[in-house]
Amino acid sequence: DAGVIQSPRHEVTEMGQEVTLRCKPISGHNSLFWYRQTMMRGLELLIYFNNNVPIDDSGMPEDRFSAKMPNASFSTLKIQPSEPRDSAVYFCASSQELQADTQYFGPGTRLTVL
Amino acid sequence: SQQGEEDPQALSIQEGENATMNCSYKTSINNLQWYRQNSGRGLVHLILIRSNEREKHSGRLRVTLDTSKKSSSLLITASRAADTASYFCATGYSTLTFGKGTMLLVSP
Repeated sequence: DAGVIQSPRHEVTEMGQEVTLRCKPISGHNSLFWYRQTMMRGLELLIYFNNNVPIDDSGMPEDRFSAKMPNASFSTLKIQPSEPRDSAVYFCASSQELQADTQYFGPGTRLTVL
Repeated sequence: SQQGEEDPQALSIQEGENATMNCSYKTSINNLQWYRQNSGRGLVHLILIRSNEREKHSGRLRVTLDTSKKSSSLLITASRAADTASYFCATGYSTLTFGKGTMLLVSP
């Protein structure tokens, strides 16, 4: 299996622009998680899906952030408009089950907003 | 919050030495997991210990869990330079909450 795939690996954009991050989970995994990692705040859970349905988006910092999972093999995290404080590494992870199961992380997208 | 907190924040040792990292958490759990993150990479799952287990081994890794003290430890024996990474514990019932991690530096 190729593991969790994320794209792009690096994104540099200017403040105010729309940013879309993409994730392909491991085939057969039912749960998908989006995290943000910064030096100051560590690894934060933004939102997670189970069977393509968003379960909890309480970690999404603002309405500028939105996430979708149109099917079992694809998810997006969108930031519109982006701000410099959104600069971070964004990880997608998937697991077979939701109940505190082992999570498999993608390589991350390093986002820089100028 | 069921956040795990790792201790120490940073650890520097020589190759061949053992490295011990600790994790404390606040509420009941059904399992506790340890992950490793190499610089610039995603987290990699190392080991999972269930709440009814006290000790678990995987290669050079040894994990203990004390639910009465709400704490866990990760021991890496005979460390190698390649073990240099950040190590995170994660706890939770449905989703996982990660601590801030321990940065381990193993010098040749």
